[in-house]
Amino acid sequence: QIRLVQSGPEVRKPGASVKVSCKASGYTFSSYGICWVRQAPGQGPEWMGWISTDSGDRKYAQKVQGRVTLTRETSTSTAFMELRSLRFDDTAVYYCARCPLYSGYINWGQGTLVTVSS
Amino acid sequence: EIVLTQSPGTLSLSPGDRATLSCRASQTVTSDYLAWYQQKPGQPPRLLIYNAAYRATGIPDRFSGSGSGTHFTLTITRLEPEDFAVYYCHQYGNSPPETFGQGTKVEIK
Repeated sequence: QIRLVQSGPEVRKPGASVKVSCKASGYTFSSYGICWVRQAPGQGPEWMGWISTDSGDRKYAQKVQGRVTLTRETSTSTAFMELRSLRFDDTAVYYCARCPLYSGYINWGQGTLVTVSS
Repeated sequence: EIVLTQSPGTLSLSPGDRATLSCRASQTVTSDYLAWYQQKPGQPPRLLIYNAAYRATGIPDRFSGSGSGTHFTLTITRLEPEDFAVYYCHQYGNSPPETFGQGTKVEIK
């Protein structure tokens, strides 16, 4: 059974950083990329980026490029998303997803609520 | 960046009705790499359709996807009570970035 289990909710002040983890199980971690998607309250999903769990190559959305870093730790089958210089409008649920090439995202993490509040 | 525009914003229907949801892209979606998802409150999106027309594993055949290029449609032939939710389209053919639509809410009339 494929599972993606994310770290718990976080509260940060503006200007701070947050790092969310996503631990995969039930499949060969290095065979599929991991994508990160966030969803602000009442809004549609927003794609943030992709990391190849094999090579470590990454692609980022321009909107967050420069503030986000995706990494992975193959020994523990875990992917990470770090977002820096947090702003109020970064408040959202952050999801990781297993993203096969040229297919939809069939496996998602449960989501991590990140709240940016002063 | 491809902008996906979904219509209508809200669809008010009764169980047993047919639902037709539209997703229009601002540019051609490469190889029709477009997916549809269903989302209920407090849950991640659930993949229904990928590559415009292929049902994901375990998805009932009342869900179907069609279209190509810049216009795509999700059809639910007979709405069941559990189908009332928000639906999103997602293009993954032109990346970065991949993009999602703003959603269509299917609500009980």
